[in-house]
Amino acid sequence: DGGITQSPKYLFRKEGQNVTLSCEQNLNHDAMYWYRQDPGQGLRLIYYSQIVNDFQKGDIAEGYSVSREKKESFPLTVTSAQKNPTAFYLCASNRWDQPQHFGDGTRLSIL
Amino acid sequence: AQSVTQLDSQVPVFEEAPVELRCNYSSSVSVYLFWYVQYPNQGLQLLLKYLSGSTLVKGINGFEAEFNKSQTSFHLRKPSVHISDTAEYFCAVNRGSLTQGGSEKLVFGKGTKLTVNP
Repeated sequence: DGGITQSPKYLFRKEGQNVTLSCEQNLNHDAMYWYRQDPGQGLRLIYYSQIVNDFQKGDIAEGYSVSREKKESFPLTVTSAQKNPTAFYLCASNRWDQPQHFGDGTRLSIL
Repeated sequence: AQSVTQLDSQVPVFEEAPVELRCNYSSSVSVYLFWYVQYPNQGLQLLLKYLSGSTLVKGINGFEAEFNKSQTSFHLRKPSVHISDTAEYFCAVNRGSLTQGGSEKLVFGKGTKLTVNP
């Protein structure tokens, strides 16, 4: 079945450490997105990519980085510059004429 | 800039009662509107969408929503809820200019937690 796979489901980070969250889709979607979700805050856009080898900052890009080397993959790195990384991270994708489709998320916690 | 306000952060109801989850938006451009549902520790699932045409939109699981341009609202309704409808619901609007039917760069509300009690 087609869908979006986010891994791992749970991730722990030590202070000063970079961690990478994986997002893979087999829906042949051109656009992919990363959101951060905090309790009572809704979803906030971190980065998005509308085509391979191109991506744009969203509303809260500081402390995060992404790459889009393949259409199917859009990994998110949470760097040590992100001072409050504990959150639920959601990846989404869509075709230009369709609503966004979401993965099941990765919960990141600080040790 | 577009914004979305979900007027209730929590809505408790009894099973088989009707429910309305309220959503108001502000936008200087034409809008596409969406409702998503999120079950605990899962991603978001699309319930329904308004792109154009009929202002009454029917979605999955018996939900429907009505687009009201004059009141800039897109309230979600269900005539009789089940325990399994307990979840968080998010309203979203496109930001910026529209592509044809697209939903690039959505703006989300802060969510409404619906709790259905027996």
